Amino acid sequence: DAKTTQPPSMDCAEGRAANLPCNHSTISGNEYVYWYRQIHSQGPQYIIHGLKNNETNEMASLIITEDRKSSTLILPHATLRDTAVYYCIAIPMTTDSWGKFQFGAGTQVVVTP
Amino acid sequence: DADVTQTPRNRITKTGKRIMLECSQTKGHDRMYWYRQDPGLGLRLIYYSFDVKDINKGEISDGYSVSRQAQAKFSLSLESAIPNQTALYFCATSDGRAPGVFGQGTRLTVV
Repeated sequence: DAKTTQPPSMDCAEGRAANLPCNHSTISGNEYVYWYRQIHSQGPQYIIHGLKNNETNEMASLIITEDRKSSTLILPHATLRDTAVYYCIAIPMTTDSWGKFQFGAGTQVVVTP
Repeated sequence: DADVTQTPRNRITKTGKRIMLECSQTKGHDRMYWYRQDPGLGLRLIYYSFDVKDINKGEISDGYSVSRQAQAKFSLSLESAIPNQTALYFCATSDGRAPGVFGQGTRLTVV
């Protein structure tokens, strides 16, 4: 699986958009980019995933560059409850692949009032 | 009730003791996974199971064993706990198509 690189931490003001970068320069053509978050040692929570097109759901937007070597998770209006560690991982699109991954250290996002 | 339930949520045990962590799910998923997380680090896969009769080792299976008693239940055992097994343990389930679901975790301390 492709290795991903994220900044260790970032701050965001409440109500502003939070843009979380992820570098996955070795991603292969059959790997999705997944984003999870973990709030204070709770179980990781799925946010969004994508292959090459931009994606949006009720939680966030995912922007993937045309060469697929990097992506950005956008939390449009950050709230204090969005304070968490955010993980970006690359997972092959085969049905057996979800779960056989390891998360890195992620990005600690702190949303401040 | 939670879709994926882990018991106990917190446990302190002594070195050398046998301990079992349990996971049950109501999602109807056939695939189940156990992970550990050490402070400041991400998740690492211990064992996974695609069906009741299927057990597979993950990245860090040494010192652990598992049992898939039913489709909905997957237990993780530490036969003889040691202090460096102190960690957060997570169970997860998946149907192989949609992103999987994690439990709320078990905090295990071995003293």
